[in-house]
Amino acid sequence: GAGVSQSPRYKVAKRGQDVALRCDPISGHVSLFWYQQALGQGPEFLTYFQNEAQLDKSGLPSDRFFAERPEGSVSTLKIQRTQQEDSAVYLCASSPIGGFSNQPQHFGDGTRLSIL
Amino acid sequence: AQSVSQHNHHVILSEAASLELGCNYSYGGTVNLFWYVQYPGQHLQLLLKYFSGDPLVKGIKGFEAEFIKSKFSFNLRKPSVQWSDTAEYFCAVNIENAGNMLTFGGGTRLMVKP
Repeated sequence: GAGVSQSPRYKVAKRGQDVALRCDPISGHVSLFWYQQALGQGPEFLTYFQNEAQLDKSGLPSDRFFAERPEGSVSTLKIQRTQQEDSAVYLCASSPIGGFSNQPQHFGDGTRLSIL
Repeated sequence: AQSVSQHNHHVILSEAASLELGCNYSYGGTVNLFWYVQYPGQHLQLLLKYFSGDPLVKGIKGFEAEFIKSKFSFNLRKPSVQWSDTAEYFCAVNIENAGNMLTFGGGTRLMVKP
């Protein structure tokens, strides 16, 4: 079946603009994660949803970052008033069952965000 | 906070050479351990995982990893690499019962020369 789908694949924005990144997880997957991957580094956790509930947002770097998953499927990561340090690849991952930390996560291709 | 260290940032090998990529983590409790691979232009894919039981786990494409609790290590091995193994490899750790997020190492970029 289809994997995790992210759009857009590439996004260029001017500093100060707002951006919205979309993630469409594997159908039926309960858990959804967002990660930020800076150039040359490993992914870093941003936030976690179980269905529509945002259970962990401890990794969001500032209050400019906001994520939602209103119907428990598609999720949107929004970054307001973007800054150059927001430039990174934003990865979305999903896993089938909530509450079990030993489950592998399935990753999308990511959105490469460049802030000019 | 937990952290994951991958010792080698870049590794270059010739085909048929043996591979070992190091991974150490800092948390002393129960952990779940993963290796992910990212082939050029593709998304992260699970290579293998350890939750419990036999500390030597086998994954896809001939890869294996050994969990050594006393050394807080989960090194990845392959006896004979192929050109198609050229990719970036990430070790990741999850702390049991402390949230579902993964903590990743910085990655090791492997280049296999034909």
